Amino acid sequence: SQQGEEDPQALSIQEGENATMNCSYKTSINNLQWYRQNSGRGLVHLILIRSNEREKHSGRLRVTLDTSKKSSSLLITASRAADTASYFCATDGGGADGLTFGKGTHLIIQP
Amino acid sequence: KAGVTQTPRYLIKTRGQQVTLSCSPISGHRSVSWYQQTPGQGLQFLFEYFSETQRNKGNFPGRFSGRQFSNSRSEMNVSTLELGDSALYLCASSFSLREGEKLFFGSGTQLSVL
Repeated sequence: SQQGEEDPQALSIQEGENATMNCSYKTSINNLQWYRQNSGRGLVHLILIRSNEREKHSGRLRVTLDTSKKSSSLLITASRAADTASYFCATDGGGADGLTFGKGTHLIIQP
Repeated sequence: KAGVTQTPRYLIKTRGQQVTLSCSPISGHRSVSWYQQTPGQGLQFLFEYFSETQRNKGNFPGRFSGRQFSNSRSEMNVSTLELGDSALYLCASSFSLREGEKLFFGSGTQLSVL
């Protein structure tokens, strides 16, 4: 079953603008991770935030986590054409079902 | 250091056949997990192996099986293929099963069942 649900499903912005994607989940988690996937290839890990953290930064990425609302957001600042990809949140509940991925946000950066 | 290698990259099979997919993890990684990705269901967890033992299994029928060898390489097998098994099968490796370990994914095997 899908734990994370990303919003929006698709997002198209101009190069240089900021992109924000949201993820909601249903059960308690140990951590939440964001991955990027280019054109049906493998996923690339972007950033991990633990359940006791509220915000984390990595380069142009900023992730927030609100465990009371069971939601997370990924902000990509100063977007570039190379950021065009699908972005997935994945929750780790510490159970026996591995990471649970949402269906992703497809981000298109217009040059 | 080489990344996760999956072979073959593309595969076409017919209903009723069986298929074996291979995954070589990053050197030193002992955990391998498999995911199925389809447009309708998204990414779904199949199973996870560590030190040749299956640690976790997702909600898939018994037609889906896997194994891990002593060198950490893993294979997954799907028997009696159905049209709905058409998907991108992704393998991921990590150093351990410790909480918070990030996964390194291969490029996947695109399976088409006709």
